[in-house]
Amino acid sequence: SQQGEEDPQALSIQEGENATMNCSYKTSINNLQWYRQNSGRGLVHLILIRSNEREKHSGRLRVTLDTSKKSSSLLITASRAADTASYFCATASNQAGTALIFGKGTTLSVSS
Amino acid sequence: GAVVSQHPSRVICKSGTSVKIECRSLDFQATTMFWYRQFPKQSLMLMATSNEGSKATYEQGVEKDKFLINHASLTLSTLTVTSAHPEDSSFYICSARDFSGRALNEKLFFGSGTQLSVL
Repeated sequence: SQQGEEDPQALSIQEGENATMNCSYKTSINNLQWYRQNSGRGLVHLILIRSNEREKHSGRLRVTLDTSKKSSSLLITASRAADTASYFCATASNQAGTALIFGKGTTLSVSS
Repeated sequence: GAVVSQHPSRVICKSGTSVKIECRSLDFQATTMFWYRQFPKQSLMLMATSNEGSKATYEQGVEKDKFLINHASLTLSTLTVTSAHPEDSSFYICSARDFSGRALNEKLFFGSGTQLSVL
């Protein structure tokens, strides 16, 4: 099962530019997380935002959460070629011990 | 952070054979592990939740006799794709959550994935 949509599906930018990815979900959540995946590899956790939080920062990452709209955004500032990867949002329900449900992902390409 | 090791990273097999994929939590105990499947350029689809010492919980549409999951210890879960066919070719990823007394439903740690190609 999947939670919802992410947009854009693909994003191409130049180094130094900012990249914004959006994620929508359908059900009530405990928290929302963003992950990064390099091609053919596992996922790496980037940042977690709880349902009672509206914005969170971590280095060049900024995440927002709007529970009324059931949406989140991930902003990567001053992008680098090494940021090229697929980015997925994932939601955790309020039920303890359950798996994360992933969105469809955004493929980011940063060219130098 | 916690480390999850997944092996093999890549396997090519003939149609009809069975393939076992191992997922180990190296520095923490994982009472629950999750198995995902990913097709090219698509998202991760949850296949099943693996619980130590009990039967796995499968998502709707996932054949439990086809994808056998065993979670015999607190650090090891295995996924066996039985009688594999070309349509089973996919990227399989395991993940685990390190509870260690922390809050529930926190981040997952992922293995590096297994690319299965069935000829």
